Amino acid sequence: DTEVTQTPKHLVMGMTNKKSLKCEQHMGHRAMYWYKQKAKKPPELMFVYSYEKLSINESVPSRFSPECPNSSLLNLHLHALQPEDSALYLCASSRWVGNQPQHFGDGTRLSIL
Amino acid sequence: AQSVTQPDIHITVSEGASLELRCNYSYGATPYLFWYVQSPGQGLQLLLKYFSGDTLVQGIKGFEAEFKRSQSSFNLRKPSVHWSDAAEYFCAVGAQTNAGKSTFGDGTTLTVKP
Repeated sequence: DTEVTQTPKHLVMGMTNKKSLKCEQHMGHRAMYWYKQKAKKPPELMFVYSYEKLSINESVPSRFSPECPNSSLLNLHLHALQPEDSALYLCASSRWVGNQPQHFGDGTRLSIL
Repeated sequence: AQSVTQPDIHITVSEGASLELRCNYSYGATPYLFWYVQSPGQGLQLLLKYFSGDTLVQGIKGFEAEFKRSQSSFNLRKPSVHWSDAAEYFCAVGAQTNAGKSTFGDGTTLTVKP
């Protein structure tokens, strides 16, 4: 059983829709991450939160908006996405940012029509 | 800057055969190294990690890896592969600072023949 829970597992949305991805962990980890993964590629880092504060934004377009309401929750708000944004979106957490192993959720498979 | 190279894009082995997946890294200090496995439709699962100490580390599912500083390598091994080991394998190096980010290799796809 994964210790990082992501919902929904699958999401299909049009380019004008607004939706949100949710991630939850109860391991007491203080770092949380959003990754984008295309088929047969490694995960690409999007955002890092450290102690509920955004510490890294990898020049992600503003149509992706992260939010960390508390130490257990991480959201990714989506608006006006493009077809090339279709991918697997992975959430991960670690004890702290940097050299710690990351625990990944099973991801949300996002398809943009 | 840190980097990770996995020279083999795709490896095919027969069930029951031994396995070695290669990983080379570039890092300015003592590295924190990880191997992750990703089965289709799932997230990444940590197989093992190296922080310091014994250079041969044991992981889950019967995997082990050996850290060789002189060769800048951290190769993953398994003595006898099972069909369920077919997956994508990623080597990663942890950030050099607490403000940095981990670096993943491009991955190796493992196919297991019956």
